[in-house]
Amino acid sequence: SYILTQPPSMSVAPGQTAWIACGGNNIGSKSVHWYQQRPGHAPVLVLYDDSDRPSGIPERFSGSNSGNTATLTITRVEAGDEADYYCQVWDSVTDHSVIFGGGTKLTVL
Amino acid sequence: EVQLVESGGGLVKPGGSLRLSCAASGFRFSGYGMNWVRQAPGKGLEWVSSISSSSTYIYYVDSVKGRFTISRDNANNSLYLQMNSLRAEDTALYYCARDIGPFSGWGMDVWGLGTTVTVSS
Repeated sequence: SYILTQPPSMSVAPGQTAWIACGGNNIGSKSVHWYQQRPGHAPVLVLYDDSDRPSGIPERFSGSNSGNTATLTITRVEAGDEADYYCQVWDSVTDHSVIFGGGTKLTVL
Repeated sequence: EVQLVESGGGLVKPGGSLRLSCAASGFRFSGYGMNWVRQAPGKGLEWVSSISSSSTYIYYVDSVKGRFTISRDNANNSLYLQMNSLRAEDTALYYCARDIGPFSGWGMDVWGLGTTVTVSS
């Protein structure tokens, strides 16, 4: 089945930029969605279809997807951005299933 | 207000059964695909099952095929997950989540708070 690979953790200082990668075989051919999950809370969709923002998500959140890597970019990082971030795709080739990456814990220093 | 509220979780012995429910409100339930996603304690998100808006397309993760059944009642704005032959590894917080569109794969834009399932003797 299709596998999405994310770094388990990363840290960034407030005001800096965070790039969170999501690797998968030819992921550029798929639509990638990103979720933010703060501790003790349900996930929140922050990007869909690689780079579209749902209503209410700040412009500081953006995305790209090409080749074997999709990237969530968070500019001007704030303390409130500290959370787990998950990428997700729909695998319609092999299993017809939703695939989540393992998640990246973003720590704001 | 768009809302999803899960219920039906609890403590069950291995081999037992539970039926989870998800009550939807604030949107036209019949127009959206729906999902169950679970999260084991301290672990990441794991998709469990999806159902399209009119129940035409239903999918499961391999680990629950033959044991879990997803269904929906559009007249009553409800989603269900019948879980049989439960195992310890099914222990998790189970979320109900709405697809952006009528089918799976478009992203999940509304989530409930979850209901906890614990499988233990």
